Amino acid sequence: ETGVTQTPRHLVMGMTNKKSLKCEQHLGHNAMYWYKQSAKKPLELMFVYNFKEQTENNSVPSRFSPECPNSSHLFLHLHTLQPEDSALYLCASSPDNHGTYEQYFGPGTRLTVT
Amino acid sequence: QQQVKQSPQSLIVQKGGISIINCAYENTAFDYFPWYQQFPGKGPALLIAIRPDVSEKKEGRFTISFNKSAKQFSLHIMDSQPGDSATYFCAGGSGGYQKVTFGIGTKLQVIP
Repeated sequence: ETGVTQTPRHLVMGMTNKKSLKCEQHLGHNAMYWYKQSAKKPLELMFVYNFKEQTENNSVPSRFSPECPNSSHLFLHLHTLQPEDSALYLCASSPDNHGTYEQYFGPGTRLTVT
Repeated sequence: QQQVKQSPQSLIVQKGGISIINCAYENTAFDYFPWYQQFPGKGPALLIAIRPDVSEKKEGRFTISFNKSAKQFSLHIMDSQPGDSATYFCAGGSGGYQKVTFGIGTKLQVIP
């Protein structure tokens, strides 16, 4: 596999469920990101990890819990979500944190909360 | 607060025509302005980017024009093709690490 992969690609969950999204990057990058993409809204940065350390939490509700066990893997743990959390969740990675801003995105997980 | 304002939200262009998407930013700390292209079912991919020390950057049929004093920049797609049909996002980047603020996106449709 190459690039940034995300699983699952589609997820339907009830408001009381607990689920996790997985992201894996095969690019040797050191920074990883979670974004939320909703219709008619700009991409919303949720979390940033640099060298496995969380460096950004963009006021995300605690029902979203990220985990970065190493520089290649990123998880987003979900619990007691709301219908308005339905969106496309994108993972991205980038080479470093010194001014090179190109981010490589995965295909996303389409989440529907019922 | 929307730090990067993008317009139009949708655009229909005839094949061979010029597609123009405009963006304006508020944060003067931005020092990098990328454009991303997203096809259905895919994540965004970097298309072209510019730093504020240049006024124009061209890569093939894609050109960014940048006006620092007006805090505006635009993407021009020359000789637009149906394969260019996608959603385009402008963005601004700043900070010591990679924090990028995106515009709302423009859905471009190029019709034959």
